[in-house]
Amino acid sequence: RKEVEQDPGPFNVPEGATVAFNCTYSNSASQSFFWYRQDCRKEPKLLMSVYSSGNEDGRFTAQLNRASQYISLLIRDSKLSDSATYLCVVNGFGNEKLTFGTGTRLTIIP
Amino acid sequence: EPEVTQTPSHQVTQMGQEVILRCVPISNHLYFYWYRQILGQKVEFLVSFYNNEISEKSEIFDDQFSVERPDGSNFTLKIRSTKLEDSAMYFCASRLQALSTDTQYFGPGTRLTVL
Repeated sequence: RKEVEQDPGPFNVPEGATVAFNCTYSNSASQSFFWYRQDCRKEPKLLMSVYSSGNEDGRFTAQLNRASQYISLLIRDSKLSDSATYLCVVNGFGNEKLTFGTGTRLTIIP
Repeated sequence: EPEVTQTPSHQVTQMGQEVILRCVPISNHLYFYWYRQILGQKVEFLVSFYNNEISEKSEIFDDQFSVERPDGSNFTLKIRSTKLEDSAMYFCASRLQALSTDTQYFGPGTRLTVL
């Protein structure tokens, strides 16, 4: 089983729609969870951390289910500028490295 | 806003040659990392570095690879004898603290092409 698994997409979504991404991770000892965004041929940039209670940042909502080892990201009222690859990222306990999923590619259609 | 910087942006080399990729982490950060991303694949951890020594490394980081912080600002990745399969985007990252909740900030990357 892959350490971090995501649906690679692509997701082609009309502007203004809501889109949801899911991610599962295999290591139950994982401690920290993030969504990063990566534009084509650019570096990953932190979109948001994911907390056990769930958290929201403007149009973005992240959820974590530790029992199911499942992370989600919801984007509301999608904009053209949201087109990117969304990376699910996990950091283990006492473990410095970030483990990345393969990413989910999102294209927002005008 | 402080940024991680990397040079060069693109490096082309012949197989078997040595390359050094350079990074300047954010100035007050203490933890430094190298990751790589082969075209079309996921970002993979290579090595972490703290207090002038390697704290963790992956299976990819074999004897051909080394890291160094030669002065107070630069952090380098050296590949001694490049192979075709070393062609990838190499990202440097830095973090202020060791807490797993703390953010790692990535540089813009160096695209390494091995011919």
